[in-house]
Amino acid sequence: GAVVSQHPSRVICKSGTSVKIECRSLDFQATTMFWYRQFPKQSLMLMATSNEGSKATYEQGVEKDKFLINHASLTLSTLTVTSAHPEDSSFYICSAGDLYGNEQFFGPGTRLTVL
Amino acid sequence: GQQLNQSPQSMFIQEGEDVSMNCTSSSIFNTWLWYKQDPGEGPVLLIALYKAGELTSNGRLTAQFGITRKDSFLNISASIPSDVGIYFCAGGGTSYGKLTFGQGTILTVHP
Repeated sequence: GAVVSQHPSRVICKSGTSVKIECRSLDFQATTMFWYRQFPKQSLMLMATSNEGSKATYEQGVEKDKFLINHASLTLSTLTVTSAHPEDSSFYICSAGDLYGNEQFFGPGTRLTVL
Repeated sequence: GQQLNQSPQSMFIQEGEDVSMNCTSSSIFNTWLWYKQDPGEGPVLLIALYKAGELTSNGRLTAQFGITRKDSFLNISASIPSDVGIYFCAGGGTSYGKLTFGQGTILTVHP
């Protein structure tokens, strides 16, 4: 399967700061990338769909001004959590969609802890 | 939004036993995917199904795409300790590449 990396793997920050998470598809070009949030022992919750060169599409209830997504190239999408608060602490996972929109390949995830 | 009903929620089995889990939906999907997630990691794709009625194997794993396109099952034969993890089904192929996930099945294998 395709390889997707995420950086950083874990981050601890103070309340009020912003955190940027990078998602890279290493061996293929991904027109579409997805960002998920996952709470312990729960399923993945889609936050937004990121399309290269255009604005991201956010799921209902996800604040676009708080979770800024940029997909500047076919191999890189970034998620910036702005003015993070403790309730933003979670496991964030990105995925890259295949050319046909049938499969998604996931990154290893980023554990965000906001103090 | 729509959700898949995945069952069972958790399973505790002995090493060597076979495992079966399934997902059902009220909506039709064009693809069914099965992922495994280890603690602190992202999900890894195990099997992808593209045609109604399709039965696909990957080593000790076998999955089927239901004929109605509203369900799928995953079987694991002769389980081993490294099968421990959370298994997710996902339906896709309908909306701009988005996937709809099941709630997950937590598998514990006792040696």
